[in-house]
Amino acid sequence: GAVVSQHPSWVICKSGTSVKIECRSLDFQATTMFWYRQFPKQSLMLMATSNEGSKATYEQGVEKDKFLINHASLTLSTLTVTSAHPEDSSFYICSANHQGLMNTEAFFGQGTRLTVV
Amino acid sequence: AQSVTQLDSQVPVFEEAPVELRCNYSSSVSVYLFWYVQYPNQGLQLLLKYLSGSTLVKGINGFEAEFNKSQTSFHLRKPSVHISDTAEYFCAVTFDGGFKTIFGAGTRLFVKA
Repeated sequence: GAVVSQHPSWVICKSGTSVKIECRSLDFQATTMFWYRQFPKQSLMLMATSNEGSKATYEQGVEKDKFLINHASLTLSTLTVTSAHPEDSSFYICSANHQGLMNTEAFFGQGTRLTVV
Repeated sequence: AQSVTQLDSQVPVFEEAPVELRCNYSSSVSVYLFWYVQYPNQGLQLLLKYLSGSTLVKGINGFEAEFNKSQTSFHLRKPSVHISDTAEYFCAVTFDGGFKTIFGAGTRLFVKA
């Protein structure tokens, strides 16, 4: 089946530093990937749509300068949390749709737990 | 507007009892429907999905769900739950073949001995 890998699975960083999270589709190509954020005991909120070779589309209320998304290839999207603060601590999950299987489910990474201290 | 509603934030149930977790959606276009389970500090695991065809969908771990277009619902059921089913369950919808997946608020299933 289609596998999406996220790295790292958890990270602790100091306030003010930047953290990069990678999302890779291991056995398929994905022109579109999605980044979600999940606060404790809450649902997943879509942050942005990552498009290969073009700018990401951000959901309302998401700071594009704070959450930098790069989708440089058909198998890799990265989310960089810039100048992280404790309130950025959250569970970040990416997903990707199989390019050859449109209109089917998204495949999710295992998530990255970010803790900013 | 497109939305997904999970009517119950928490569902406590005794072991071996049946359970139903409710999900309704609002959409003027066709949808694809999913249920995911999330165990503490873990990612999402797909339980089952409805894309087309039979409205009764069977998934992993003994779960099933039925798509009811007229009621815009996709309730999840299991005839006999186990302690290990304790987790957070999310209903998710993709609208009109678009790639965006929107999640419901989640339902915490708590199975008691």
